[in-house]
Amino acid sequence: EDQVTQSPEALRLQEGESSSLNCSYTVSGLRGLFWYRQDPGKGPEFLFTLYSAGEEKEKERLKATLTKKESFLHITAPKPEDSATYLCAVREDSSYKLIFGSGTRLLVRP
Amino acid sequence: SAVISQKPSRDICQRGTSLTIQCQVDSQVTMMFWYRQQPGQSLTLIATANQGSEATYESGFVIDKFPISRPNLTFSTLTVSNMSPEDSSIYLCSVRTESNSPLHFGNGTRLTVT
Repeated sequence: EDQVTQSPEALRLQEGESSSLNCSYTVSGLRGLFWYRQDPGKGPEFLFTLYSAGEEKEKERLKATLTKKESFLHITAPKPEDSATYLCAVREDSSYKLIFGSGTRLLVRP
Repeated sequence: SAVISQKPSRDICQRGTSLTIQCQVDSQVTMMFWYRQQPGQSLTLIATANQGSEATYESGFVIDKFPISRPNLTFSTLTVSNMSPEDSSIYLCSVRTESNSPLHFGNGTRLTVT
C-alpha cells in the first residue's frame, strides 16, 4: 500500500535555528513529490515539485531534496513567518491522485 | 496558477441537514478534486469531479452522502448530505491545470455539525 510518513509531527525552533523536515514514501513508481505549506484557516499553498532522486529545489529559506525513499525540506535561518504546517504528497505513476502525509507543524519563535 | 474561490468559508449546521459547498475557478481546468481534512489529520481525497459525467469516488465515500456536480470547466459543488458530527471537517476544492502540474487549493470550507 502506498504510504507517506512525515516526521517530526511538530517542531519548535528559535529564529535562526536551521533544521530539516522529513518525508518518507513508498510507492511503486514516483511521478512526483510535492511540498505544500498550510497556514491556519487556509488551503495548502504549493511550494515545490521534485521528480527524480538527486533533484533539489530552493525558494528563499527553503530547500527541498529527494532520494529514492525520502525527501527533506531544509529550513535555513527560519523566521517566525515560516511558522506553518508543511505537507508532503506523492503522485504515483499512472495515477492522478496525490497521497498526503500528515504534516509537520513548525513553530519558529522570535 | 489558478485562483480558486470556495463558498461558504465556514458554517455551523444541525445534524441531519445538508450543506452545499461551491468551488469557482478563474480559468478552465481539466481536473477538479474534493478533499477532506479532519481535525489534526491530513488530506483525504473524496472524489474527482468530472465535467459532463458522474464524479469518481474514492474508497469509503459514496455519491448518496457526497453528491458532486460539475456543470462546466470552472465550477463544481460538493454536498454533504444528512450530516452527523463526524462530518465536521474542512472540505477543500483543488484543481490541476495541466496533466503534470501540481494541485492548487482553495481556502476550504470549515464545517461544524452540532
